[in-house]
Amino acid sequence: QKEVEQNSGPLSVPEGAIASLNCTYSDRVSQSFFWYRQYSGKSPELIMSIYSNGDKEDGRFTAQLNKASQYVSLLIRDSQPSDSATYLCAVFQGGGNKLTFGTGTQLKVEL
Amino acid sequence: NAGVTQTPKFQVLKTGQSMTLQCAQDMNHNSMYWYRQDPGMGLRLIYYSASEGTTDKGEVPNGYNVSRLNKREFSLRLESAAPSQTSVYFCASSERPSGGPNEQFFGPGTRLTVL
Repeated sequence: QKEVEQNSGPLSVPEGAIASLNCTYSDRVSQSFFWYRQYSGKSPELIMSIYSNGDKEDGRFTAQLNKASQYVSLLIRDSQPSDSATYLCAVFQGGGNKLTFGTGTQLKVEL
Repeated sequence: NAGVTQTPKFQVLKTGQSMTLQCAQDMNHNSMYWYRQDPGMGLRLIYYSASEGTTDKGEVPNGYNVSRLNKREFSLRLESAAPSQTSVYFCASSERPSGGPNEQFFGPGTRLTVL
């Protein structure tokens, strides 16, 4: 079982819709959770971090964390073509000083 | 602030050649990291430096060496390049080494091809 799992996609949504990206992780002691956006040929860019159960909102982005279910998600409201990218979920296990990445979900926002 | 910078941006090597990838950060971060990214494999940690003067192996360290030159700079060396090392290499840095939020910020990457 992979430590951090994401559906590779592509996930296609129409412009203006809500995109929902999901991630599960295997280590129950994981402490911090991050979402990165990566455009093709570019480096990962941090867009959200979440450390406690519940929702965290930042503009059009909402991160949701459920530690009991070992599940973290990213919602993108009012999706725009510029949101088309690969979204990487990353999980930090404090004791190991290691940030583990999923393989990413490709999002396509269609006009 | 430039953030995290990497040189070179592109490199082509022949099998057996050596090279050093350079990374520098101007955010006064304590920790620095080297990752490689391959299709379908995601980002994998090669080596990291929790603080100046320390380095540790990550998930895929074989064939690589690192040097934490000072707080700003962290280099990755390939002593004898192999085609399996063809990849995109990213350097990253973070403020805290462990025990708390570990937001990492990435450089632009080096695209390496080994023939």
